[in-house]
Amino acid sequence: AQTVTQSQPEMSVQEAETVTLSCTYDTSESDYYLFWYKQPPSRQMILVIRQEAYKQQNATENRFSVNFQKAAKSFSLKISDSQLGDAAMYFCAYRSGYNNNDMRFGAGTRLTVKP
Amino acid sequence: NAGVTQTPKFQVLKTGQSMTLQCAQDMNHNSMYWYRQDPGMGLRLIYYSASEGTTDKGEVPNGYNVSRLNKREFSLRLESAAPSQTSVYFCASRMAGSGYQQYFGPGTRLTVT
Repeated sequence: AQTVTQSQPEMSVQEAETVTLSCTYDTSESDYYLFWYKQPPSRQMILVIRQEAYKQQNATENRFSVNFQKAAKSFSLKISDSQLGDAAMYFCAYRSGYNNNDMRFGAGTRLTVKP
Repeated sequence: NAGVTQTPKFQVLKTGQSMTLQCAQDMNHNSMYWYRQDPGMGLRLIYYSASEGTTDKGEVPNGYNVSRLNKREFSLRLESAAPSQTSVYFCASRMAGSGYQQYFGPGTRLTVT
């Protein structure tokens, strides 16, 4: 089964600085999707960014970008110009391209933003 | 457009009691999901329904049953609650097809004493 590992249980960043959250995954599949979700204290899961495995170009969404290293099975999230509202739990997730209903999550990284 | 709604938001049960968690979506999505979230762990899939009339087991289905009542509603039932089922439960929905993201409800915090 596919597994997703987030090795940083907690991270902190100064407001306006840049932080990178790590994620690695294990799979033998060639077709898959990767996601980063944000979970603020409200508990609502919010999609931050997604990456299709077949795309070589790294996805970006405003201040959020990923570094997708397919051979290394690594999918890190970079948050630039960090804001207080970025403070949350961040989950990395893998979804199989062969079974679109099979989604696996990492254990999460708690991000603190210091003013 | 409310998205994905869940009821109740909080629930406390005694061991052995039963209850049903309700989920509804108004986005005309085909697929619906139930996850549980435990401290120090990511979300784990309990059951899913790829389309109306079908349900399938996920990673952690033991102790749960589901019903896809219609296209909008997908319920999760605990027949005999156990303390190990203390968790936060999330419902999600998605359009069919590989390119679509899941949309999540606000969660239900369940405590079994």
